[in-house]
Amino acid sequence: DTVLTQSPALAVSLGQRVTISCRASKSVSTYMHWYQQKSGQQPKLLIYSASNLESGVPSRFSGSGSGTDFTLTIDPVEADDIANYYCQQSNELPLTFGSGTKLEIK
Amino acid sequence: EVQLVESGGGLVQPGRSLKLSCAASGFTFSNYYMAWVRQAPKKGLEWVATISTSGSRTYYPDSVKGRFTISRDNAKSSLYLQMNSLKSEDTATYYCARELGANWYFDFWGPGTMVTVSS
Repeated sequence: DTVLTQSPALAVSLGQRVTISCRASKSVSTYMHWYQQKSGQQPKLLIYSASNLESGVPSRFSGSGSGTDFTLTIDPVEADDIANYYCQQSNELPLTFGSGTKLEIK
Repeated sequence: EVQLVESGGGLVQPGRSLKLSCAASGFTFSNYYMAWVRQAPKKGLEWVATISTSGSRTYYPDSVKGRFTISRDNAKSSLYLQMNSLKSEDTATYYCARELGANWYFDFWGPGTMVTVSS
């Protein structure tokens, strides 16, 4: 199985830039997707296929990477961005998710 | 407006069965792969099952293969998950998700239904 590794938590100041990383245990090409999950809510798709912004998602969000290393960038961070962020690979079955990164405000 | 609404969750004893349902609206259900994804309390997301547009192909991770069965009724725009031989580790919120079949990611999620497996 492809294991995705994320940092457990990040603290950032409002208005600053933050990058959330996801490292895959093997190459997933660009079959990497990012989700935001706010407390008590279902996940929401932000970025698909590494760098494509889902319709309706603010342009403050962007994604990059290929192979094994990927990043989700939020610039600038707003208070509404407090959430857990998950990466997911679809290069092979089983589909797997990272353990999530909790974004906190300093 | 796309809507997915899960139902059927609840408290069930280990070894018993439970069937979840997901009612879809706001899109042409038969055109989309569909999936179930679960989240144990305070834990991350885990893919549970995917079904093709016609229902002819299904996919599972090893953790549920042979115990869970995903199915769909395109005439009713409904998705199902039959869960047998339930274990305590199956305790989770179960989300119904619309899946982009070509690239296997989830572009819309329901609010989820909670399943608790406990004696």
